[in-house]
Amino acid sequence: EAGVTQFPSHSVIEKGQTVTLRCDPISGHDNLYWYRRVMGKEIKFLLHFVKESKQDESGMPNNRFLAERTGGTYSTLKVQPAELEDSGVYFCASSPRQALGYGYTFGSGTRLTVV
Amino acid sequence: DQQVKQNSPSLSVQEGRISILNCDYTNSMFDYFLWYKKYPAEGPTFLISISSIKDKNEDGRFTVFLNKSAKHLSLHIVPSQPGDSAVYFCAASGDSNYQLIWGAGTKLIIKP
Repeated sequence: EAGVTQFPSHSVIEKGQTVTLRCDPISGHDNLYWYRRVMGKEIKFLLHFVKESKQDESGMPNNRFLAERTGGTYSTLKVQPAELEDSGVYFCASSPRQALGYGYTFGSGTRLTVV
Repeated sequence: DQQVKQNSPSLSVQEGRISILNCDYTNSMFDYFLWYKKYPAEGPTFLISISSIKDKNEDGRFTVFLNKSAKHLSLHIVPSQPGDSAVYFCAASGDSNYQLIWGAGTKLIIKP
């Protein structure tokens, strides 16, 4: 079984540019989560999809962030325009049900650097 | 305001000895706690969890203890092995909220 795949693994962009991160969950996993870790601090929740619907987007920092999950399969997280404080590692996770953490499989993350 | 705190950024332990990683939380509504392990350039991997109705959960070399009155949990690894060197995250969740609230992590270094 393929795991959760994220790409790119690294992205360096200039302030004001746009970046799109992609996450391919494990096939059949209805639940998809985005988390972010900034500068070695705690990992913070961004949002949660159930299939193509946003179940909880309370962690999205502002309207420069847009997440989509087309057809309930892969998800994209777009940052437009990027700011310096958006730098960090963005993790995606998926689970077959709304499990409290133990069922989550995380991807390796996308390290975003905004310069 | 950080609801889950891991006050030790790093911990160094001799191979074969016990590693104890600590975590404190402030929100009394949290009812499920998890430990994740993370290697460099990889995503977090689930290690062990505990529900608030228990005070101890054990899985092989890993044991998690929960002290609800003190709002404190700890992860014990016995015996510590070189492959245990990683960053360990404590995370919590409350009631029907499926968000995980994470600590900042503790880097565990196992010395040979």
